[in-house]
Amino acid sequence: AQSVSQHNHHVILSEAASLELGCNYSYGGTVNLFWYVQYPGQHLQLLLKYFSGDPLVKGIKGFEAEFIKSKFSFNLRKPSVQWSDTAEYFCAALNTGGFKTIFGAGTRLFVKA
Amino acid sequence: DVKVTQSSRYLVKRTGEKVFLECVQDMDHENMFWYRQDPGLGLRLIYFSYDVKMKEKGDIPEGYSVSREKKERFSLILESASTNQTSMYLCASSPPRGVGNQPQHFGDGTRLSIL
Repeated sequence: AQSVSQHNHHVILSEAASLELGCNYSYGGTVNLFWYVQYPGQHLQLLLKYFSGDPLVKGIKGFEAEFIKSKFSFNLRKPSVQWSDTAEYFCAALNTGGFKTIFGAGTRLFVKA
Repeated sequence: DVKVTQSSRYLVKRTGEKVFLECVQDMDHENMFWYRQDPGLGLRLIYFSYDVKMKEKGDIPEGYSVSREKKERFSLILESASTNQTSMYLCASSPPRGVGNQPQHFGDGTRLSIL
């Protein structure tokens, strides 16, 4: 079955710490991969996306993610987090040409000032 | 900028009531989706629609129905609300598949409580 797994449900970091959130997907065929972020009280918004080409993709606010096909992974990274990065982060996958996007369970990140 | 508007941010209803959640998008998107978001479970797809009057079941359609009479509007209906339908409901829209597989655009969500 198609699925997306996020390794951590809750992460607590101090400001300036480095961040890596794990994401693995289980899909046949070609997939499009996304990271969405939901800041407190706000709607989900796109952080970054991978469709094809360079497996290292850069998104907004200094975030990046690397698609590693052999590991079925799409981990999110940021070298130095800020208090304003406190949010819930969702990894998602969509079969190319498909309709249904599968979301992971989410990771709640809390950054201490 | 795409705008997806959900009619209510907070809603409180009683068990057995028929509940309507409304969603409108202003970008002429073909695809629209209804999810529920629960802690630890992420987003689960209830129903989606890829055209006017077309609808497809998602992963958890039981107890729900939808209506899409106009392209811009997608309604979620709880036929007879139950307490286990207390949740955050998210509406989203996207262009048709093949158009770069663009990501979905989400509304602010409706936090629904069933008493």
